[in-house]
Amino acid sequence: NAGVTQTPKFQVLKTGQSMTLQCAQDMNHNSMYWYRQDPGMGLRLIYYSASEGTTDKGEVPNGYNVSRLNKREFSLRLESAAPSQTSVYFCACNRDRGYNEQFFGPGTRLTVL
Amino acid sequence: QQQVKQSPQSLIVQKGGISIINCAYENTAFDYFPWYQQFPGKGPALLIAIRPDVSEKKEGRFTISFNKSAKQFSLHIMDSQPGDSATYFCAALGGSNYKLTFGKGTLLTVNP
Repeated sequence: NAGVTQTPKFQVLKTGQSMTLQCAQDMNHNSMYWYRQDPGMGLRLIYYSASEGTTDKGEVPNGYNVSRLNKREFSLRLESAAPSQTSVYFCACNRDRGYNEQFFGPGTRLTVL
Repeated sequence: QQQVKQSPQSLIVQKGGISIINCAYENTAFDYFPWYQQFPGKGPALLIAIRPDVSEKKEGRFTISFNKSAKQFSLHIMDSQPGDSATYFCAALGGSNYKLTFGKGTLLTVNP
């Protein structure tokens, strides 16, 4: 079992370009999350999906959109990338939202020039 | 509004020493407090978690101490090893939104 996989691992964009970060989990978990990690800022929630067919904004949703394609896949889209979106992005999942372990993917390091 | 405050930002400990990382929270609705460990280039992974019905939880060399009245909790790493060198995040969850709120992280370095 791969757990949580993310593609790509690294990406460099120019300001204004768009891209989609992919996340897939084979744990049969209901809830999925997108976080960004910046130095000294910890992990900040961008969007989450409590279950298939639902998505909600987190702490820092501006500039991002998400799609819960099916139970396994949760993608994050940057429509017009900005340098402020340079960050490491982590996808995570857990059995259901709440009091249980979140499992994180290996991350995508994104640089916007 | 930072709901979980973590300190110190970085910590250097000698091998065999005790590492202590502290967190304080504001939201009294929080009732689940996990700690995550992150090695360079990897995603965070759950290390240990506590609910407020107990004041301490121990798993091997790792202990969470919880003080509900002070709204504080801490991670103690006994007999710290170089392999413990990582970034540690405290977090809190509770109330109606079921979203984890993370502290800003502590970079722990254990010197051999």
